[in-house]
Amino acid sequence: DQQVKQNSPSLSVQEGRISILNCDYTNSMFDYFLWYKKYPAEGPTFLISISSIKDKNEDGRFTVFLNKSAKHLSLHIVPSQPGDSAVYFCAASARKLGGTSYGKLTFGQGTILTVHP
Amino acid sequence: NAGVTQTPKFQVLKTGQSMTLQCAQDMNHNSMYWYRQDPGMGLRLIYYSASEGTTDKGEVPNGYNVSRLNKREFSLRLESAAPSQTSVYFCASSPEGWGLYQPQHFGDGTRLSIL
Repeated sequence: DQQVKQNSPSLSVQEGRISILNCDYTNSMFDYFLWYKKYPAEGPTFLISISSIKDKNEDGRFTVFLNKSAKHLSLHIVPSQPGDSAVYFCAASARKLGGTSYGKLTFGQGTILTVHP
Repeated sequence: NAGVTQTPKFQVLKTGQSMTLQCAQDMNHNSMYWYRQDPGMGLRLIYYSASEGTTDKGEVPNGYNVSRLNKREFSLRLESAAPSQTSVYFCASSPEGWGLYQPQHFGDGTRLSIL
């Protein structure tokens, strides 16, 4: 049972345009969401995160939106650059009963973003 | 500027062989994690260690064991390798304490092939 899903395996956009990457989740206990970026032969690197008490978080060209009622989050990259070409993973974390968090992440399958010059 | 270091970077094993994947972090993080990445499946948690001296199972622990040797080091052992364990293995660490949300920092992975 895939609790975090990225239904688009790939996305291709033109340089300077907006890239929108989507992620859906099923576990209503998830309360912290992250996006990671991964280049070939490297480990994932943290990009941006959002807590469930917010619906938007912005960091430079990157904005993450969270729609809790739809259990959906998205990552917007504006403007897109060729160096943004990578695999993007969304991930989610849930507090255990009692309010403590181990930081265990559940990842989506990833979306390959290609930004053309 | 090392962050999370994994060794080896590549390994080929025969079915039934054993080996240990090493991971060390120099960021004084409390928590460490082992993931595997398979095509089309994202990263799946194998084992984690919330703090020195503790370990616990993740989503796919079967066929693996771990040791949190000290605060810096967290190793993953395959006792009897199987072809289904062919994967890319990532180690990660975070300053996670109870109730804190901190992003995990990843190593560059170990590419393991089992014939």
